[in-house]
Amino acid sequence: ETGVTQSPTHLIKTRGQQVTLRCSSQSGHNTVSWYQQALGQGPQFIFQYYREEENGRGNFPPRFSGLQFPNYSSELNVNALELDDSALYLCASSREGLLSYEQYFGPGTRLTVT
Amino acid sequence: AQKITQTQPGMFVQEKEAVTLDCTYDTSDPSYGLFWYKQPSSGEMIFLIYQGSYDQQNATEGRYSLNFQKARKSANLVISASQLGDSAMYFCAMREYHSGNTPLVFGKGTRLSVIA
Repeated sequence: ETGVTQSPTHLIKTRGQQVTLRCSSQSGHNTVSWYQQALGQGPQFIFQYYREEENGRGNFPPRFSGLQFPNYSSELNVNALELDDSALYLCASSREGLLSYEQYFGPGTRLTVT
Repeated sequence: AQKITQTQPGMFVQEKEAVTLDCTYDTSDPSYGLFWYKQPSSGEMIFLIYQGSYDQQNATEGRYSLNFQKARKSANLVISASQLGDSAMYFCAMREYHSGNTPLVFGKGTRLSVIA
């Protein structure tokens, strides 16, 4: 099985800019979830995509948006970057539709906003 | 609302000794799952062990076991025979199943340091 991959590994952006992060799901998985992990904290749920539709969202503003493609890969877009958006962004894939329990995480993208 | 509490910001353990990482949770959903993840400095979240709320026996995976005490709402991770490579952040997480799969809710984590 191919694991979850994310790109880029690291990214530095300036406040006000826009960023796109990418995630490729594990083979056979149809659901992608995105999490933000600030320094010293546990991951916080941003949103989840299932069959190319957003089907769950955490407490994040609309400037955080996403896409899921027919091959189940996904993008996370953040507009109007703020300093507090600096974090590790984790993508997790799973096979939903039944009560599967495992989410497999990618290595993350570390975003720094200056 | 779901809530996960990890009260130990940091723990030290001697190599080859056992260590217990604490986790308590709060939910009103009778159907839920509890997870432990390991996060090395590289950042990737590595799944360690899972316990379902209806599972009768405590979960075990190699050197990892989960001490599940449902009445106390605790799900402590026990690592036996600690190794230097076990040094990492450890996160307890939960998801509820009342309306399908809900997202994982994580605790703040415990940093484990294994000493030679």
